[in-house]
Amino acid sequence: EADIYQTPRYLVIGTGKKITLECSQTMGHDKMYWYQQDPGMELHLIHYSYGVNSTEKGDLSSESTVSRIRTEHFPLTLESARPSHTSQYLCASSEPGTSRGTDTQYFGPGTRLTVL
Amino acid sequence: KNQVEQSPQSLIILEGKNCTLQCNYTVSPFSNLRWYKQDTGRGPVSLTIMTFSENTKSNGRYTATLDADTKQSSLHITASQLSDSASYICVVSDRGSTLGRLYFGRGTQLTVWP
Repeated sequence: EADIYQTPRYLVIGTGKKITLECSQTMGHDKMYWYQQDPGMELHLIHYSYGVNSTEKGDLSSESTVSRIRTEHFPLTLESARPSHTSQYLCASSEPGTSRGTDTQYFGPGTRLTVL
Repeated sequence: KNQVEQSPQSLIILEGKNCTLQCNYTVSPFSNLRWYKQDTGRGPVSLTIMTFSENTKSNGRYTATLDADTKQSSLHITASQLSDSASYICVVSDRGSTLGRLYFGRGTQLTVWP
């Protein structure tokens, strides 16, 4: 099992609250990712990072923001949560593969967010 | 448009039986294809990875096949166990970008009954 952790595992909050989803990995991976997944649907990349002080937006537009101040830590923040943000958020990190595109991604257990 | 389609959407089998899950993709240029297992409420875990030149890869009771010409893959599970109940996700990577972009299928939800 990969050493990548997410907290909290479950979060129920009211509209308008600011929240931060935590993600940490102890494998020393440079690349980290945030995905959003709704039930029965595919994972969508919302943010990624190549390393410290590097962050990029993914394919799915998201109102969330991320930061990468330390290699092992990649938190995701929502300044003002709305019901449309209700989803599962998965964090991942990857180690380099032998060629481009062969990185293996290791996923955390996810945070199930419900905004009322 | 790069896509990954999986079938069936859901499947119920009895413990001890075999099953095969399908994945069709249109991702190009192709780099590799992975099968992930995602237990309910957990993150996906990689089962196999196959590159263009590989057409079969085994991991215990899981055997994946790849036909790069027809852009099809299958995951065969032998002698199923209750713990095999999970969503199985096909993920295809392209080699057209530095990131090695991943394209995810919606998964096949497998339920194994005793």
